[in-house]
Amino acid sequence: EIVLTQSPGALSLSPGERATLSCRASQSISSDYLAWFQQKPGQAPRLLIRGASTRATGIPDRFSGSGSGTDFTLTISRLEPEDFAVYYCQQYGTSPPMYTFGQGTKLEIK
Amino acid sequence: EVQLVESGGGLVKPGGSLRLSCAASGFIFSSYTMNWVRQAPGKGLEWVSSISSSSSYIYYADSLRGRFTISRDNAENSLYLQMNSVRVDDTAVYYCTRGGWYPDYWGQGTLVTVSS
Repeated sequence: EIVLTQSPGALSLSPGERATLSCRASQSISSDYLAWFQQKPGQAPRLLIRGASTRATGIPDRFSGSGSGTDFTLTISRLEPEDFAVYYCQQYGTSPPMYTFGQGTKLEIK
Repeated sequence: EVQLVESGGGLVKPGGSLRLSCAASGFIFSSYTMNWVRQAPGKGLEWVSSISSSSSYIYYADSLRGRFTISRDNAENSLYLQMNSVRVDDTAVYYCTRGGWYPDYWGQGTLVTVSS
């Protein structure tokens, strides 16, 4: 079973700054199967990025995803106040088919 | 607009049973794999189960050990999760999600609390 490890566990930044969140897989995975989600308190997660680098519908272009193999990155170019939330990476496993989530990165206002 | 609305959560005693439902609208339900994902209070996301569009393929997290059963009714655009022999560590918000490779739409969740 593939394990996803996100770092850092928490990140404290100011609006306007750049955020870089990491997701590392315990073994190589297809970029097609890597997604990122944002979750705000009391809300369901929202899909941000699919296929490692494709923004979901309606997601601002300040969000970008990159990476391949075992190392993936979510970058928020210029933080807006509404971006402070918890971010999860997720991968789709095929044997057996299942979802695996990272433990999350909490992005906090400094 | 895609909508997923869960119901059926509540307080249940350890060892008891509960059936969660998810009403789907705004898309062709019978064309999509559907899933349940849960989140314990203050914790991360955990995949529970998936069911293919025609119910031909069903998968569960190993941790459930046969206690939960996922099903769907394509005529009613509904997804279900039958939870049996529930344990305290099943306490969580249960989300109904759409999707195969990734859950692209999520309901607002229904809270299941297992406590004596």
